[in-house]
Amino acid sequence: GAVVSQHPSWVICKSGTSVKIECRSLDFQATTMFWYRQFPKQSLMLMATSNEGSKATYEQGVEKDKFLINHASLTLSTLTVTSAHPEDSSFYICSARGTNNDKQYFGPGTRLTVT
Amino acid sequence: DAKTTQPTSMDCAEGRAANLPCNHSTISGNEYVYWYRQIHSQGPQYIIHGLKNNETNEMASLIITEDRKSSTLILPHATLRDTAVYYCIVRNNTNAGKSTFGDGTTLTVKP
Repeated sequence: GAVVSQHPSWVICKSGTSVKIECRSLDFQATTMFWYRQFPKQSLMLMATSNEGSKATYEQGVEKDKFLINHASLTLSTLTVTSAHPEDSSFYICSARGTNNDKQYFGPGTRLTVT
Repeated sequence: DAKTTQPTSMDCAEGRAANLPCNHSTISGNEYVYWYRQIHSQGPQYIIHGLKNNETNEMASLIITEDRKSSTLILPHATLRDTAVYYCIVRNNTNAGKSTFGDGTTLTVKP
């Protein structure tokens, strides 16, 4: 199946700093990318949807100024957590979907810990 | 996108078939049924999807009822590595279709 990568796989940062997470579709063009957040023992929560070259659409309750999403090309999307706080510590997972819209592939996730 | 209801947890003996049910009684005519699974601390893995016909691939079979209000994922010969959280999702295949995750079913395969 198609491959989606994330970098870094884990990151520790200090409170108040910003962290950027990259998501790449390695063998297909991702017209749509999704960002999810998952807290321990909970399900995935959709944060935002982005289409290449367009502004991201955020789910209700997700602060767009805190979670900056850029989908600059058909193979790369980035999520920047700005002014991170300990409560932002979570497992962030990206997902990518190609032009035919049927299958959606997920990255391996990035574990963010804010101290 | 329609909501789904799944049992919280299920056990299955190794080597036996695992049958995971999902209710999606409010599914729309253009919405597909997707199944993913998530092994601890990894991203979800696609398993199978279908619209109204039963589907089979190398991983599993998907049985969708005629009224499309429920479906069953079948792992024909479960192994210990199939222990995971299984998510049933319904969504349309347009640009606007989003995969919204419920709580899923935690399947534990026991030796």
